[in-house]
Amino acid sequence: QKEVEQDPGPLSVPEGAIVSLNCTYSNSAFQYFMWYRQYSRKGPELLMYTYSSGNKEDGRFTAQVDKSSKYISLFIRDSQPSDSATYLCALQRSNDYKLSFGAGTTVTVRA
Amino acid sequence: NAGVTQTPKFQVLKTGQSMTLQCAQDMNHNSMYWYRQDPGMGLRLIYYSASEGTTDKGEVPNGYNVSRLNKREFSLRLESAAPSQTSVYFCASRGRTPYSGNTIYFGEGSWLTVV
Repeated sequence: QKEVEQDPGPLSVPEGAIVSLNCTYSNSAFQYFMWYRQYSRKGPELLMYTYSSGNKEDGRFTAQVDKSSKYISLFIRDSQPSDSATYLCALQRSNDYKLSFGAGTTVTVRA
Repeated sequence: NAGVTQTPKFQVLKTGQSMTLQCAQDMNHNSMYWYRQDPGMGLRLIYYSASEGTTDKGEVPNGYNVSRLNKREFSLRLESAAPSQTSVYFCASRGRTPYSGNTIYFGEGSWLTVV
């Protein structure tokens, strides 16, 4: 079993829809939770960072963490064609140099 | 500010050839990483360097060697390339911003094909 599970999709939504992405994990030692966005033929870029259970909002993006269920989510409101990308969740243990990544979910927002 | 720069962008190798992927960061980060990305597998850590002068194996180190040349540079070497090493390789460094804790910043990637 992988440490981090993420549905690879692909996910296709119309412009303006809410995109919902999620990851589950098995190790309760993970304390820091990130979402990266990766455009085609580019490197991943950090989108959201959080370290506690609850919600964190940044513009149209909301990251949600439920440590008791070992479940993290990313919501994109009012999705735009420019949001079309692969979204990867990444988890980190305290005092660890390494991240554990999900496989990534490919999202297409149709104009 | 260039961030993390890696070269070459694209490379085709024959089985058994060797090559080195170069990486440099200008963010004064201590930690640097090499990942490979394959369809359906996500990002897998090959090697990392927690600080200048140290290197450690990640999940998939076999067939690779690394050198932390100085604080800025971290290279990845394939001594005898195999078709299984066809992949996209990402160099990364780790540092802190006002908005996040210590997290990882990636380069643009190097597309390697071994035939």
